[in-house]
Amino acid sequence: GAVVSQHPSRVICKSGTSVKIECRSLDFQATTMFWYRQFPKKSLMLMATSNEGSKATYEQGVEKDKFLINHASLTLSTLTVTSAHPEDSSFYICSANPDVSSSYNEQFFGPGTRLTVL
Amino acid sequence: GESVGLHLPTLSVQEGDNSIINCAYSNSASDYFIWYKQESGKGPQFIIDIRSNMDKRQGQRVTVLLNKTVKHLSLQIAATQPGDSAVYFCAEIRTGGFKTIFGAGTRLFVKA
Repeated sequence: GAVVSQHPSRVICKSGTSVKIECRSLDFQATTMFWYRQFPKKSLMLMATSNEGSKATYEQGVEKDKFLINHASLTLSTLTVTSAHPEDSSFYICSANPDVSSSYNEQFFGPGTRLTVL
Repeated sequence: GESVGLHLPTLSVQEGDNSIINCAYSNSASDYFIWYKQESGKGPQFIIDIRSNMDKRQGQRVTVLLNKTVKHLSLQIAATQPGDSAVYFCAEIRTGGFKTIFGAGTRLFVKA
């Protein structure tokens, strides 16, 4: 089956530093990927839609300069949390839709990245 | 605003019993509804989906019911097992793309 990986799985950083999270589709190509964040005991909140070769589309209330998204290839999207602060600590999850699929429900989720900002 | 939400934040059931997890939604324009299972520290796992023009769909040990009149979605798990313990989210795919909007989630505890 289709697999989406994320790296790193956990990261701890100091306040003010930037952190990059990678999302890879391992055995399929994905023009479109999605980034979510999830606070403890809360639901997944869609942050942005990552589009290969073009700018990401951000959801209302999500700062694009704070959360930089780069979708440079059909198998890789990166989310960079710039100048991280403790309130950015969260579980970040990506998902990807295979390009060959026209079915909405073939969206595969990564295992998530736990970010802790000290 | 429009949202997808759940009635109960926590549900505790005895092993072997049936579980019913409920969800209310407000966007009548959604094409599909999906149930996901999320275990601690992991990404969501697809369970079952239902198209908006259907009212029932069955899978292995799971059934999803959709009542568009009252905008209600439910997930029924038959013969609940300890491995079913997780957080369950309903989600909707709104018209125009694959963007998935998640509901609040219900934590299911299965007692042995």
